Amino acid sequence: EVQLVESGGGLVQPGGSLRLSCAASGFTFSSYWMTWVRQAPGKGLEWVANIKQDGSEKFYVDSVKGRFTISRDSAKNSLYLQMNSLRAEDTAVYYCARGVVEMEQHGCGYWGQGTLVTVSS
Amino acid sequence: SYELTQPPSVSVSPGQTARITCSGDALTKQYAYWYQQKPGQAPVLVIYKDNERPSGIPERFSGSSSGTTVTLTISGVQAEDEADYYCQSADRSGTYEVFGGGTKLTVL
Repeated sequence: EVQLVESGGGLVQPGGSLRLSCAASGFTFSSYWMTWVRQAPGKGLEWVANIKQDGSEKFYVDSVKGRFTISRDSAKNSLYLQMNSLRAEDTAVYYCARGVVEMEQHGCGYWGQGTLVTVSS
Repeated sequence: SYELTQPPSVSVSPGQTARITCSGDALTKQYAYWYQQKPGQAPVLVIYKDNERPSGIPERFSGSSSGTTVTLTISGVQAEDEADYYCQSADRSGTYEVFGGGTKLTVL
C-alpha cells in the first residue's frame, strides 16, 4: 500500500524557516518524480515544486523560487521542502505527492494527508 | 504565467451526467489530470493522461480532450460525487505545472 506521511508543519513568524518532510513507503521511491502541492485555507490547489527520481532536475513555481528548496533522500525514502523567508501568503496545507507513472514527470498519483504551515506573528 | 480555466461551479441531479471543462492553450500538447477533493480530505486522482482511469475509480468517471479544452464527465452522478474537482497540466515546455481554479460539483 502506497503511503505518504508529511511532517514538520507548524506556526512560524514571517521571515522564518521551516523544513517539511515526507516519508514514503509501499513503492519504489527511486522510480518516481515527487511533488509538493499546497492549498491555502479555503482556496484551490497550487503546484509548488517537483523533483526527478535521481534529484537531477528540480522545478519551482515562480512565487517560491529562491526561497524554497526541494530535495530527496532515496536511502531514507524521504522527500523534503526547505522553506526560507516565509511570508504570510505561504500559509497553507502542504501535500506531498507521488507521480502517476514510473519515470514520468507529470501528475500526482498518490497524495499524503498534508501538513499545515501557518506564517504569522 | 500559464493558466487553466475551469467553471467555478456545476450542478446536476442524481443520475444525470456532469461535465466539467478545463481550458488552456497548452492542452493541445500536454496531458491533463483530474482530481477529486472532498472537504477535509486530500485530493484523489480520478483521470490521468486525458482519459485514463486509475484502478479503483468507478467507470462513471471518464475524460476527453478536444483542442485546447479537456472535459471530465461523470455519468450517472451519485450523491457521493459531490466534491471539488481540479484539472492539472503543464505549460507548453513541459517544465512547470499548474492547477485549474477548481469546480465545485453540487448534486441537487
